Amino acid sequence: SYELTQPPSVSVSPGQTASITCSGDRLGSKYVCWYQQKPGQSPVLVIHQDTKRPSGIPERFSGSNSGNAATLTISGTRAIDEADYYCQAWDSSSGYVFGTGTKVTVL
Amino acid sequence: EVQLVESGGGLVQPGTSLRLSCAASGFAFNDYWMHWVRQVPGKGLVWVSGISTDGTTTNYADSVEGRFTISRDNTKNTLYLQMNSLTVEDMAVYFCARQYTSGWYYFDYWGQGGLVTVSS
Repeated sequence: SYELTQPPSVSVSPGQTASITCSGDRLGSKYVCWYQQKPGQSPVLVIHQDTKRPSGIPERFSGSNSGNAATLTISGTRAIDEADYYCQAWDSSSGYVFGTGTKVTVL
Repeated sequence: EVQLVESGGGLVQPGTSLRLSCAASGFAFNDYWMHWVRQVPGKGLVWVSGISTDGTTTNYADSVEGRFTISRDNTKNTLYLQMNSLTVEDMAVYFCARQYTSGWYYFDYWGQGGLVTVSS
């Protein structure tokens, strides 16, 4: 089955850049999206089709995808960005696959 | 405004059944594939099941195939998940989610989630 691996945690200082990686076999050949989930809330789509931001998502969120890894970058991180982040892709054999999740802590 | 509101969660005993509902509003429900995704508290997201716009095509994760049934009533703008033979491994928060559009495999709107607790 297809798997997506993320680091369990990322720490960042306010105003700095946080980068979250999502690794999977030939992931660059698939479209990746990213969800933000705050405690007790449902996931919110922050990046789709590798690089696109839905309406209402701040410009500080950006994405890239190449080779075997996708990256979500949060520039100028704010305290409100503290959350769990999940990547997700679709695989023809495994269907909808979510990453293992990364907890972003803004110190 | 797109809204997805789940209901029907609760505490059940192992081996019993439960039906979740997801009431949709704010968009043309019959134009979108719909899905269920679950999350064990403190753990990650896992896709459970999806259904086509007209309900004729359904897909399931291996872990629920044969026990869960997804369905929809486009006249009521409601998505359902019938869960039979529940086990403790099915205990989770269940989210309904709207697929962006046919051919794009991600979810642009999510419900608030309904907790299913399986315990004797």
